[in-house]
Amino acid sequence: NAGVTQTPKFRVLKTGQSMTLLCAQDMNHEYMYWYRQDPGMGLRLIHYSVGEGTTAKGEVPDGYNVSRLKKQNFLLGLESAAPSQTSVYFCASRKSSRAQETQYFGPGTRLLVL
Amino acid sequence: AQSVTQPDIHITVSEGASLELRCNYSYGATPYLFWYVQSPGQGLQLLLKYFSGDTLVQGIKGFEAEFKRSQSSFNLRKPSVHWSDAAEYFCAVASIDSGYALNFGKGTSLLVTP
Repeated sequence: NAGVTQTPKFRVLKTGQSMTLLCAQDMNHEYMYWYRQDPGMGLRLIHYSVGEGTTAKGEVPDGYNVSRLKKQNFLLGLESAAPSQTSVYFCASRKSSRAQETQYFGPGTRLLVL
Repeated sequence: AQSVTQPDIHITVSEGASLELRCNYSYGATPYLFWYVQSPGQGLQLLLKYFSGDTLVQGIKGFEAEFKRSQSSFNLRKPSVHWSDAAEYFCAVASIDSGYALNFGKGTSLLVTP
């Protein structure tokens, strides 16, 4: 199993450009999450999904959209990138609604918005 | 909402010395608590987790953590630190309100000196 993979690993955008980050998991997990990590802030939840076709907002959703058309994929979109969205983005997944299930993280995507 | 606080931003220990990283949580009921480690430029790896039962939890790489309800704490310990333990450590609590997404502390950066 590859686990949780993220594409791309690194990207540079200009302000106003759009892009989509792809998260894929091959563990048949129901729940998927997008976090962003900024220095001194820990990780903060952007959006999450509890199953195919469902998404919900997290703590910092503004400027992002998500889609979960297939169970194994969770896409994070930036319609009009801003310098404040420069960050490291992590995707994670977990198997089910049991509270003790572990979240597995991808390797991250580094995004620089100029 | 569930939250965690990591009071120490940076900690420096000598190789071979013992280590304790502090984590305090805020939650009325029994929390689901996690410790993750992040090496520079890497993703997050689960060290251990607590959701019920024995309050002393053993994890990987020789780490353990103790859940103390009376002190609202979940401190991470290791008897003898190795240089390879230098990393960022995050305490997290699962948020029932957002699909068991993790609310992370801001992290503690561990430096190990010879």
